[in-house]
Order: sequence, then structure tokens, then C-alpha cells
Amino acid sequence: DAKTTQPNSMESNEEEPVHLPCNHSTISGTDYIHWYRQLPSQGPEYVIHGLTSNVNNRMASLAIAEDRKSSTLILHRATLRDAAVYYCILRDVGGSNYKLTFGKGTLLTVNP
Amino acid sequence: GAGVSQSPSNKVTEKGKDVELRCDPISGHTALYWYRQSLGQGLEFLIYFQGNSAPDKSGLPSDRFSAERTGGSVSTLTIQRTQQEDSAVYLCATSLGGGNQPQHFGDGTRLSIL
Repeated sequence: DAKTTQPNSMESNEEEPVHLPCNHSTISGTDYIHWYRQLPSQGPEYVIHGLTSNVNNRMASLAIAEDRKSSTLILHRATLRDAAVYYCILRDVGGSNYKLTFGKGTLLTVNP
Repeated sequence: GAGVSQSPSNKVTEKGKDVELRCDPISGHTALYWYRQSLGQGLEFLIYFQGNSAPDKSGLPSDRFSAERTGGSVSTLTIQRTQQEDSAVYLCATSLGGGNQPQHFGDGTRLSIL
């Protein structure tokens, strides 16, 4: 699977927007960009995914660079509940096993 | 609706014993994955079931590990002759199918080998 690079940690204040970056310079044409997050003592939770166009859902927005070599997960108003490890993952839908390959992710701290 | 349910939530056992971990998927989800997460590490893929196809066992770390999925529903992960390095959180995830379907995770079984 193609590799992603994320900062180890980021900090934000409550009710402010948060922009979580991810670099994936070796992304292939069949790789979708997925984001999951993991709250303490819980299993990972799906956040959002996209291929080329920016995507919005009730949890977040995903901004994808035109060359697809990077993307940014946007939390519009951070809450304390958003404190988690955020994982940026590439999924190759051209294969037959759709396992997720998790890296270290970004630990997001939200200050009250 | 009900999410992915795993049991037990915690398991402590002695080295050398066998353990069975259970995963109840979301109804209708045909794809089921097992992962494990060691302390401070990322998730490691173990095994993948999709419908009636032969499972992808490429992530199982040794022949002490096995898993089955009965009737396309409940899955059991078995670890025989447990070792201390097997201590980890074992996570089950299910999805409606393959491809880009989001995976829904349970909260895992925390396994501790004494």
C-alpha cells in the first residue's frame, strides 16, 4: 500500500477549526484517501473518504490537492470529543483485499 | 442500530493457555476483518472474510492463530498456546462489502498474557 505521512501531534482550542494534513506523494490512480479516528479505549471510527474532489459530511470536510499528493481533514469547530488519533489511509480498490493499513496517525489535543 | 460487538472486553490468561475471542457483526455486513493493536502501535491486519469466499489469512502471525466465521455471521479468533507477545487489543471490523465501504469497528478485546 502507498504510504502516508502525518504530523505526530497537533493542538487546537475548542470551537476553533482544525486542519489535519496528510502527504501521500506516491499515491496511485486507484487509491482512495480515507480518514479514520480513534478515541481513547475505543475502536477506530470512519470519518470520511474521497478520490479527487473535495468531500463534506456531518463529521468533517476533506480537501484534496489537485495533484492528489496531499490532503487535509478539516474539523470546522473542534470539540473536546474530537480529541483522538487521526489516521490518513490510502485504499487501493483495484485489489481484492480491502484491509486498512494504519500508520502512526496524528494525536489531536483539544484545549477547553 | 447495533454496532459491532466483541466479547469478552477483557481477557487475562496464563501463558500456554488457549483463548477464543468473539465478534458479532452488524447485520447484513458481508465483509469481516480482524486486526490487532499492540501498546503504542498502529493496527496490524490479521485475517479477512468476504461472503462465502476463502478467507485471506495473510496477516496471521503464526499457525497458533486461526479464525472462522460461521454462516457468514459471527466470527471467532482462536489463539492456541498463548505467548506473552500475544498481549494486545484485538479488534474486529465489518463492512457492507469490499471496495470503499467504510469499516465499522468494535471496541476490541484487551488480551493480557501473564
